[in-house]
Amino acid sequence: DAKTTQPPSMDCAEGRAANLPCNHSTISGNEYVYWYRQIHSQGPQYIIHGLKNNETNEMASLIITEDRKSSTLILPHATLRDTAVYYCIVRVGNAGNMLTFGGGTRLMVKP
Amino acid sequence: DTAVSQTPKYLVTQMGNDKSIKCEQNLGHDTMYWYKQDSKKFLKIMFSYNNKELIINETVPNRFSPKSPDKAHLNLHINSLELGDSAVYFCASSHESSGVWDTEAFFGQGTRLTVV
Repeated sequence: DAKTTQPPSMDCAEGRAANLPCNHSTISGNEYVYWYRQIHSQGPQYIIHGLKNNETNEMASLIITEDRKSSTLILPHATLRDTAVYYCIVRVGNAGNMLTFGGGTRLMVKP
Repeated sequence: DTAVSQTPKYLVTQMGNDKSIKCEQNLGHDTMYWYKQDSKKFLKIMFSYNNKELIINETVPNRFSPKSPDKAHLNLHINSLELGDSAVYFCASSHESSGVWDTEAFFGQGTRLTVV
C-alpha cells in the first residue's frame, strides 16, 4: 500500500507556481521520493526523484524537508497542459521493488 | 519511436473469453511491469518481471499470467474474463542494474479492456 498522503485536489492559476505537498512520515532511510503524473487518458509520466537533497530538472523542482517526512513538488510556471493527477511515491531503490501509487493530487491549472 | 507500446489500445470482449494484451519496449530495459487502473483511477501493480525473477502481487487472480518471449516483450494473458476485469491496463519498463533502480519507469499508453 502507498505510504504517502497527498491532498486530493488543488487549483493553480496559469503562469503561477504550483506547489504540491506530500507527507511520507514513515519513510525509511533507503527510500527515495518519486513524483509521477498522469495526464488524462495517458500513461503515467516520470517527473523527478530524490533521496535527501533538493533536486531540479527541466520539468520541476523537488524540495525534501531535512527530516525527510515531507516533500513538495514545484512546477515553477504552470501551464494548462500541466493539468493532471500527480503522484508522490516512496520506494526503495533496489531491483524488483515496484512503484505503488496512491490516490495522488488532481491539479487543475486554470486560465 | 514509441518507447513502450501496447496493443490493442481498446479491447471489448465477452465474459468467459481468453484474451492477451501485448507490450513491447525498445529502451533496452531489463524489467517490465503490468499495472491495472480501475474505474476509481487507482493504479495497482500486478506484476514485475525481469530475466531473473517474476514478482506477483498476491491479490492478482491466477487467471492473469505474464508471458515474456524475450527481454523486450511482456504480454499479459487473461483467462475466463470477468466483468470486474474491465479496466485500463498499463505496461511499463525500467532498467535495474546491480540492484539499483537507476532510471525512471516508462509507461505505455494503456489498453482499455471492457468485458461485457
